[in-house]
Amino acid sequence: GIQVEQSPPDLILQEGANSTLRCNFSDSVNNLQWFHQNPWGQLINLFYIPSGTKQNGRLSATTVATERYSLLYISSSQTTDSGVYFCAAREFTGAGSYQLTFGKGTKLSVIP
Amino acid sequence: ETGVTQSPTHLIKTRGQQVTLRCSSQSGHNTVSWYQQALGQGPQFIFQYYREEENGRGNFPPRFSGLQFPNYSSELNVNALELDDSALYLCASSSGGAVGYEQFFGPGTRLTVL
Repeated sequence: GIQVEQSPPDLILQEGANSTLRCNFSDSVNNLQWFHQNPWGQLINLFYIPSGTKQNGRLSATTVATERYSLLYISSSQTTDSGVYFCAAREFTGAGSYQLTFGKGTKLSVIP
Repeated sequence: ETGVTQSPTHLIKTRGQQVTLRCSSQSGHNTVSWYQQALGQGPQFIFQYYREEENGRGNFPPRFSGLQFPNYSSELNVNALELDDSALYLCASSSGGAVGYEQFFGPGTRLTVL
């Protein structure tokens, strides 16, 4: 199956700083999702992005499928951005089934 | 539009017991997937249900089983609980077809096995 690697594993930012999180995947994928997991465990959808660039407020994401990576940009970070960010690659596993394979996440801490 | 819901929120069981977790899919979604997230790790795929049948499974033993009902809600059953089964269990729903494979997750059930 696909391997998904995220970097960095941990990131500490001062409020207002910008950051870039990276996700590498080992093989062609059908799609890619970025999530933010809040302290209560809820996975919140950020982007569904097979290729190209999308923006949502202070967050944007770029996936270059041919080079097997995706980037999540956070600008003007706020303390509420703290949490764990996951990328997950979708692969078809046959018979109409598909699964998300997650990386280990980037733990972001934004300090005032 | 109602999002994905899961119950219970928390559960404590002892080794060897059986547990059932429940998930209601988001309105309009016909596919449910279950994931296990151990502490400090990313979620791992357990299995997927579509049209009331399991149509994909990750690397989990048969004591992990499930059901999907005609209203697309789902259950995850775990028999003979082991200490390593302690984790956050996440349910995700999505719609099938050529578009709309984006998965949306519920708030999870935190299972502790003593």
